[in-house]
Amino acid sequence: GNSVTQMEGPVTLSEEAFLTINCTYTATGYPSLFWYVQYPGEGLQLLLKATKADDKGSNKGFEATYRKETTSFHLEKGSVQVSDSAVYFCALSRRWFGNEKLTFGTGTRLTIIP
Amino acid sequence: GAVVSQHPSWVICKSGTSVKIECRSLDFQATTMFWYRQFPKQSLMLMATSNEGSKATYEQGVEKDKFLINHASLTLSTLTVTSAHPEDSSFYICSATPVEVSSYEQYFGPGTRLTVT
Repeated sequence: GNSVTQMEGPVTLSEEAFLTINCTYTATGYPSLFWYVQYPGEGLQLLLKATKADDKGSNKGFEATYRKETTSFHLEKGSVQVSDSAVYFCALSRRWFGNEKLTFGTGTRLTIIP
Repeated sequence: GAVVSQHPSWVICKSGTSVKIECRSLDFQATTMFWYRQFPKQSLMLMATSNEGSKATYEQGVEKDKFLINHASLTLSTLTVTSAHPEDSSFYICSATPVEVSSYEQYFGPGTRLTVT
């Protein structure tokens, strides 16, 4: 079956540090890949996505590249801010009768200290 | 835009009682709503998929008689946990897919924390 494995947290970094959160997946076919972010007290929000191999998703300074050869979709940001503190979820989707069914990783809690 | 709300945000109930959780799409109509469950330090697990006006489709291992889902309108889905027990304590999250969208993106609610005593 489909599965997503992501870096366990929590991760604590200083402001302006470089961030990498690892994510690897197992899936049949060619899934789409996503990063969601959950800020305290809020619902999950789509951060970025990639729908095919070698695609790069980017948003708010975050980037992730769909690597089929390594089945990975690592999240990176060059200089993090305190406002980036949140829980980050890697996910993949598969089409099922017209609906996208998401499979999530366990989430990585990120805390940025000033 | 694309806001999803859940009510209540947290609830405590006694073992054996039933609890209803509402999921509303506030500024869009949702063809499909999804219900997830999240245990501490674990990923979101899809429980069921509901389409407006039809019966929900449950994932393997989810008891449909225990977790009743009603998607009566294009803006409201409810999850009722019947005869709740302490092992049902969890964080329940819903998401919704807008009618018009072509990318099938899901918009998530903030979640409901259920504690059964």
